[in-house]
Amino acid sequence: DQQVKQNSPSLSVQEGRISILNCDYTNSMFDYFLWYKKYPAEGPTFLISISSIKDKNEDGRFTVFLNKSAKHLSLHIVPSQPGDSAVYFCAARSKGGSEKLVFGKGTKLTVNP
Amino acid sequence: ETGVTQTPRHLVMGMTNKKSLKCEQHLGHNAMYWYKQSAKKPLELMFVYSLEERVENNSVPSRFSPECPNSSHLFLHLHTLQPEDSALYLCASSQDARRELFFGEGSRLTVL
Repeated sequence: DQQVKQNSPSLSVQEGRISILNCDYTNSMFDYFLWYKKYPAEGPTFLISISSIKDKNEDGRFTVFLNKSAKHLSLHIVPSQPGDSAVYFCAARSKGGSEKLVFGKGTKLTVNP
Repeated sequence: ETGVTQTPRHLVMGMTNKKSLKCEQHLGHNAMYWYKQSAKKPLELMFVYSLEERVENNSVPSRFSPECPNSSHLFLHLHTLQPEDSALYLCASSQDARRELFFGEGSRLTVL
């Protein structure tokens, strides 16, 4: 059973508009959430994270929102740029010192010029 | 240039072969990981090493054998693999086990 779900396998947006990538989780023990970005033929790179004590974290064009009651987080990219086209993975980690990151299947974002 | 280097980038092997994947991190991190990425599946954690000791083996078949000789190097020894083991194998490192991961570019394995 998947604990981290990215229900949209793909998303297409126009350059300059907002991209919203969604992620749902089922494990209430998760206390730290991360987004990774992956280009073809490269490994994933860390993008932004959020602790469960916060509901928002912003870094430049990237903002992550966490809704603990809904067990939902989202990544907003604004304005979107063609270079943002990549696969975005949501990941989560449990409390208690576990080293295990649980990943979603990823969402492929395409930003059209 | 990534701080985590994996070799080879591509590997094709038969089911009776023995091969190894190598990972080297130049970031001074204390934890190293092997992940498997199969088509249309989430990234799956295989092994975690923290300070050169294996701290997690995520129910991985014994035909995959990890080795961590020091904090900068991690190997994945492969023996009598199956075609369904074909996947992208990603190495990662982190400052400690609770920090974000830095991934290598992956080794694309094809088992014939």
